[in-house]
Amino acid sequence: GQNIDQPTEMTATEGAIVQINCTYQTSGFNGLFWYQQHAGEAPTFLSYNVLDGLEEKGRFSSFLSRSKGYSYLLLKELQMKDSASYLCAAMDSNYQLIWGAGTKLIIKP
Amino acid sequence: ETGVTQTPRHLVMGMTNKKSLKCEQHLGHNAMYWYKQSAKKPLELMFVYNFKEQTENNSVPSRFSPECPNSSHLFLHLHTLQPEDSALYLCASRNSGGDTDTQYFGPGTRLTVL
Repeated sequence: GQNIDQPTEMTATEGAIVQINCTYQTSGFNGLFWYQQHAGEAPTFLSYNVLDGLEEKGRFSSFLSRSKGYSYLLLKELQMKDSASYLCAAMDSNYQLIWGAGTKLIIKP
Repeated sequence: ETGVTQTPRHLVMGMTNKKSLKCEQHLGHNAMYWYKQSAKKPLELMFVYNFKEQTENNSVPSRFSPECPNSSHLFLHLHTLQPEDSALYLCASRNSGGDTDTQYFGPGTRLTVL
């Protein structure tokens, strides 16, 4: 079957670094997406990885290992506005997204 | 603002009502999606339309009926819903066959069924 696993909740301190892990199992693979969703709002696109390695975008970076079925989202210099849910989604061979349940990130001052 | 709008933002309906959710995308995309998001659960794909043709129906009950009159508009018609259908309904669009497979989401309709 197809499955995405990510932690339910994480807590971090303002100014610190946090890594949110995601493991996936899909029928075929066409890339791994990370989205951010603030409470009551739309998921917004953060990153896309299809090749192994690290993609950096400002304070956010995303890593992919296809052989391990593993990805992580790294957030640096955390700000209070980074408090949100982070959704991991893998695209299968039919170009459909298989979603994780999301990781709720709580930032403390 | 992602270029995908949804109305209404909030909807409360009884089990015998009929209502419709509307989605419009201003991105020139050719694929549109309906998702259901329940608390602490993964997004559930409901329907997919590519070039106005329905290409996916994920075993959704017939009390949900989609309509895609053109590539910019998508509707979800609701009738005789159940309380367990209360959730956030998200619309998304994508440029199928383009350089990127990214889906862009609307703000959602928060549906409560009494």
